[in-house]
Amino acid sequence: GENVEQHPSTLSVQEGDSAVIKCTYSDSASNYFPWYKQELGKRPQLIIDIRSNVGEKKDQRIAVTLNKTAKHFSLHITETQPEDSAVYFCAAPPNRDDKIIFGKGTRLHILP
Amino acid sequence: NAGVTQTPKFQVLKTGQSMTLQCAQDMNHNSMYWYRQDPGMGLRLIYYSASEGTTDKGEVPNGYNVSRLNKREFSLRLESAAPSQTSVYFCASGGKWEQYFGPGTRLTVT
Repeated sequence: GENVEQHPSTLSVQEGDSAVIKCTYSDSASNYFPWYKQELGKRPQLIIDIRSNVGEKKDQRIAVTLNKTAKHFSLHITETQPEDSAVYFCAAPPNRDDKIIFGKGTRLHILP
Repeated sequence: NAGVTQTPKFQVLKTGQSMTLQCAQDMNHNSMYWYRQDPGMGLRLIYYSASEGTTDKGEVPNGYNVSRLNKREFSLRLESAAPSQTSVYFCASGGKWEQYFGPGTRLTVT
């Protein structure tokens, strides 16, 4: 079945710097790659996603890049702000299933 | 639209007690899911339902049962609670393209 590996598990960056979180997946048929953000005590919420027919997608300060050959995709956050502190989860759906497999999460700390 | 709602928000059980967590969605989604999230951990799928009338096991189904009552509602039952089931439980609806999560139920089993 699908396996999703996410790195790093914890990341600390200075406010204003960039943060990059990477995920690898195993099912080459996967074609949708979302990123979820979970603030402390809150529910996970989708922040950006990418389909396999594009290599990059941007939404203001966040972007996701996809390398289907290497089977990895990354979340990029530029000009980080205190409100970016949260846990971020990547996910990938097995092609033949209606469930998605989440990575174990990255706890991002934005340092003042 | 309320989105995905869950009840209760908090619950404390003694070992061996039973309870049912309720979840409802008003987005007309076919698929619904139950996850558990232990402190500092990721989301682990307990059960899911791809459509009304069907349910399938996820990664950690032992100790749980589910019922897809209708298209809107998907309940999770703990028949005999154990301390290892202390966790935050999230219900979600949607599908593999996007999932919408409920606010969660914080369950403590003593």
